[in-house]
Amino acid sequence: QVQLQESGPGLVKPSGTLSLTCAVSGASISSSNWWNWVRQPPGKGLEWIGEIFHTGSTNYNPSLKSRVTISVDKSKNQFSLNLSSVTAADTAVYFCARRWDTWGQGTLVTVSS
Amino acid sequence: QSVLTQPPSASGTPGQGVTISCTGSSSNIGSNTANWYQQLPGTAPKLLIYSNNQRPSGVPDRFSGSKSGTSASLAISGLQSDDEADYYCAAWDARLNAVLFGGGTKLTVL
Repeated sequence: QVQLQESGPGLVKPSGTLSLTCAVSGASISSSNWWNWVRQPPGKGLEWIGEIFHTGSTNYNPSLKSRVTISVDKSKNQFSLNLSSVTAADTAVYFCARRWDTWGQGTLVTVSS
Repeated sequence: QSVLTQPPSASGTPGQGVTISCTGSSSNIGSNTANWYQQLPGTAPKLLIYSNNQRPSGVPDRFSGSKSGTSASLAISGLQSDDEADYYCAAWDARLNAVLFGGGTKLTVL
């Protein structure tokens, strides 16, 4: 049974960098899957952030591309998200997911001073 | 505004059926498969339908999906109170090289 678990700070200061990690269990991150980050602002819909393949190949949401970096650590079977220059608009529940079928429980990140 | 368009709300009474639409374009639904998610309040989205019309193990056959041209649909028959949730469509967009989500449809079981 594949499981994903997000971890990282729940509070980030404006203009800072949001950093999250997704630990994958029950599957190898080197399998033929794309590993995704998706976010959901409070009371709003899902927004795709980007994804990575184990080779390091990435795809990003064009509207976030200038601020997003997704990386993979095969030795730890995990992948990570960095979102720079954050503002209050980046406050959201952040989910990691395996395209298309398995999601983490999500973690709330609040951007506030 | 989402590139995949869904009605913001839908409703039905217990036992009835309801259909939720998802309209895209030739670069997403028109050339790639559609997927559907159910999100209950405070939980992560759950995959309901993949590859237009396939159900993952454990999803009741009351849920079905279809695709025609640049639109996809999710049909729910025999509505139950537990079906009250937000529903999202998703597809890969070959022009944007991006995953797209619809804006979501809030289903109310009256």
